[in-house]
Parts: sequence; structure tokens; C-alpha cells
Amino acid sequence: ELKVEQNPLFLSMQEGKNYTIYCNYSTTSDRLYWYRQDPGKSLESLFVLLSNGAVKQEGRLMASLDTKARLSTLHITAAVHDLSATYFCAVDPYGSSNTGKLIFGQGTTLQVKP
Amino acid sequence: EAQVTQNPRYLITVTGKKLTVTCSQNMNHEYMSWYRQDPGLGLRQIYYSMNVEVTDKGDVPEGYKVSRKEKRNFPLILESPSPNQTSLYFCASSSSANFGETQYFGPGTRLLVL
Repeated sequence: ELKVEQNPLFLSMQEGKNYTIYCNYSTTSDRLYWYRQDPGKSLESLFVLLSNGAVKQEGRLMASLDTKARLSTLHITAAVHDLSATYFCAVDPYGSSNTGKLIFGQGTTLQVKP
Repeated sequence: EAQVTQNPRYLITVTGKKLTVTCSQNMNHEYMSWYRQDPGLGLRQIYYSMNVEVTDKGDVPEGYKVSRKEKRNFPLILESPSPNQTSLYFCASSSSANFGETQYFGPGTRLLVL
């Protein structure tokens, strides 16, 4: 059974600092997704990582995927308050087989303080 | 406007009283999925559908039913709700199970079963 674990689960950081959220998963997969959820809101898609070594960047967020290590990272550069949200990673346990299944991590709640 | 809609947004019901949560998308997406979100557990997939008349179980299908008679609609049915189904439910869709594009989430339905 695939397990997806994020750490940390809660992160409080100062504006302007850098930090990384980790997403580990327990089976081979080359499909990993990052989502953002603002408090009381729905989820929005941030990144789709579809191969080993994939790197995507949007503003102050950069996501990468290492399928051999079964690890994805979401790196935050020079955090600003607007990035305060809960971030989820999700893994397709069957990779490129496109079965439609998706397993989510527990989420990392990021709080950026002025 | 491209969107996924869910109804109702909030529902309080009693144990054993059948209910249906509707989900509709206007993007002609093939893939649709239902998730439940509980504190500390992230999102867990309940059922998903690769296309009309094609549905399959996710991680936590017990106590739920779905149907996909039309491409745009994917209702979630609780035949006999129990208190452990109290949760926040999200419907999502994407153009295909190959999420190379993105997955769009509905606004969520908050359900309380007494």
C-alpha cells in the first residue's frame, strides 16, 4: 500500500526566509502533484511533475521530483505572507499507467509571519 | 467560466437518511473524482470515474456509491450515512486521468451526520 508522508506538517517562518517541504512516498512512481489550499477554501493545482528530475517553478515556489529517492521537494524562496496556506503533495501509485488513483500526503500548513 | 460545482455546500443530516451530493463540471472533462478531507489525514479518494459508465473505487469507498451516466455529472450517494462520514467532501475533474494538465476542484461540501 502506497504511503505518502509530508514533513514538516506545520511550518512557521519569517518573511524573507527560505525553506523546503518534503514529500516522501513508499512505492515507485513518476507522477507527483502539488496542491495549495487556503484556509476554508478548495484546492488549486500548483505543479505537475511527470518524470525523474522534473523541476517546475512558479514565482517563489519550486518543486522537484527524484523518483529514485521517492522524494519530492517544494522549496520556498524569500517567503511572503501570501504564501501562507496548506500544501499537499499527491502521488499516482501506478505512475504513467493512468489508473486514476491518487494518494495524498497529510498536508503541510505554512504560516509566514511578517 | 470553467468550473466544478457541488451542491449542497453544507448539509446536516441524521444517521441512516439517504443523501446525494451532486457534482457537475462544464469543461467536458473525462475524469472525475470524489475525495474526503479530514483533519490530519489529508485528502482520501473515495471513487473516481475515467469516463461515462466507468467508475472505480478509491482508498475509502465503504458507505458510498457513485454513478456516471453523463459526462458532466458525478453524484456521490450515501445510502445510509453514519457519523464517521462527517467530513469535508471535494469533487474534482480533469481532462483525462493523465493529469499532465491539471485537476480542478469544486468548492467542497461540508457534511455533518448526527
